[in-house]
Amino acid sequence: EIVLTQSPGTLSLSPGERATLSCRASESVSSTYLAWYQQKPGQAPRLLLYGESRRATGIPERFSGSGSGTDFTLTISRLEPEDFAVYYCQQHTRALTTFGQGTRLETK
Amino acid sequence: QVRLQQSGPGLVKPSQTLSLTCVISGDSVTSNTAAWNWIRQSPSRGLEWLGRTYYRSKWLNDYSLSMRGRITFNADTSKNQFSLQLTSVTPEDTAVYYCARDISAKLDYWDQGALVTVSS
Repeated sequence: EIVLTQSPGTLSLSPGERATLSCRASESVSSTYLAWYQQKPGQAPRLLLYGESRRATGIPERFSGSGSGTDFTLTISRLEPEDFAVYYCQQHTRALTTFGQGTRLETK
Repeated sequence: QVRLQQSGPGLVKPSQTLSLTCVISGDSVTSNTAAWNWIRQSPSRGLEWLGRTYYRSKWLNDYSLSMRGRITFNADTSKNQFSLQLTSVTPEDTAVYYCARDISAKLDYWDQGALVTVSS
C-alpha cells in the first residue's frame, strides 16, 4: 500500500501568514485520487480539496493544492483564525485508501 | 444533503465482535456512484481506513490490508444502511470509528464519529 508522509509535523504561524503543507507518497499517485482534509478537535475530518486541486463545496479560495506524482502541496494563502487545525492528505490507488499522519497548524 | 448516522456499542470486550451500523439519508446505499466507507482514528494509529462497500450491479468490497480476515461489510437496502463487523477485537481496536461516503475516492460526507472502547 502507498504510504503518505506529511511534513512538517507541526507548523507554527500567525494569522495573515501563508501556510505550505507537504504530502509525499511512497509511489506515484494519480492527482485525481489525492485529497486534503481539515480536522478540528472533536469533529470529523472535512473535505477541503480533491482531484487535481478542486475545492470542495464551501471551501474558501485561500485554500489551494498543487503537485503530481509523489509530491503534493496544500497552500493556505492568508491564514484566518479558523484555519488552525490538523490537515491530512489521503490517496486511493489499487482499491486501497491511505491517509498521511497529519500536519498540525498552530498559532504562533 | 447527505447525512450519516452511526450506531453501535461504545464498549466491547476483548475477543468479541464489534458491530457498527451507519444509516444513510439523502443518498442510497445502492448508488452506482458512491461507496460507503469505514474509517477509524486513534492517537497511536492516526486516521486508518478500514474498507468500503459499494454496489455496481453487485455488491463489492475493498479492505485495508491490515483488516483482511477480520472485517466484514454488509448492506441492508430496506433500511438504507451499511454495517461493519470486526472480529476478535483487542484493546488496539479502541478508536473513534467513522462511516463516510466517497465519490471517486473523495470522502465528502462523514458522520460525527463514535468512540468504541475495547476493555474487559
